[in-house]
Amino acid sequence: EAQVTQNPRYLITVTGKKLTVTCSQNMNHEYMSWYRQDPGLGLRQIYYSMNVEVTDKGDVPEGYKVSRKEKRNFPLILESPSPNQTSLYFCASSFGIGKNTEAFFGQGTRLTVV
Amino acid sequence: KQEVTQIPAALSVPEGENLVLNCSFTDSAIYNLQWFRQDPGKGLTSLLLIQSSQREQTSGRLNASLDKSSGRSTLYIAASQPGDSATYLCAVRMATDSWGKLQFGAGTQVVVTP
Repeated sequence: EAQVTQNPRYLITVTGKKLTVTCSQNMNHEYMSWYRQDPGLGLRQIYYSMNVEVTDKGDVPEGYKVSRKEKRNFPLILESPSPNQTSLYFCASSFGIGKNTEAFFGQGTRLTVV
Repeated sequence: KQEVTQIPAALSVPEGENLVLNCSFTDSAIYNLQWFRQDPGKGLTSLLLIQSSQREQTSGRLNASLDKSSGRSTLYIAASQPGDSATYLCAVRMATDSWGKLQFGAGTQVVVTP
């Protein structure tokens, strides 16, 4: 089954404790991205990757890091989480960015930073 | 800067009525427009993708139209059912800068009452 898999689904952590949210897709997609969803602000892009070793900042990259060492994986790293990073996070992938490229989303990771 | 607006923000209809959800965008330089469904606390499920060169797409009870020149898309859901209750999001795939970023609307929350 074609899918984007995120782990963990739920995470409660303390301020400053480094964490990684994993994202993996099995569709051989080149384009992957991370979004966060907050009430009243909607979905905003954090980082994206056009291909292996090619990443760039989205609209709200502060406090986050990413890496793309393999095509299928695109982990999101919070080096020193803060309470304002409490949010619902989504990983997405697509074959490319052209007009016939459908985006597929993971099930989301609900992160709480206390 | 691309802005995506969804009106109304919330909608309640009795079972069997047709649903009409609206999405407007300010910049017509898009690759495509995608409609998603989101259940509370869950991921985004892709419903329909309309390429920038297309006027409409259909899937079962769902029909989506696109008028790129006027910056509008409409999602029609025929003969609504309680299981259609969810938040519906539209997103445009940017064709200028932002390297294929999806710009989302805030969503329309739909309740279908039995």
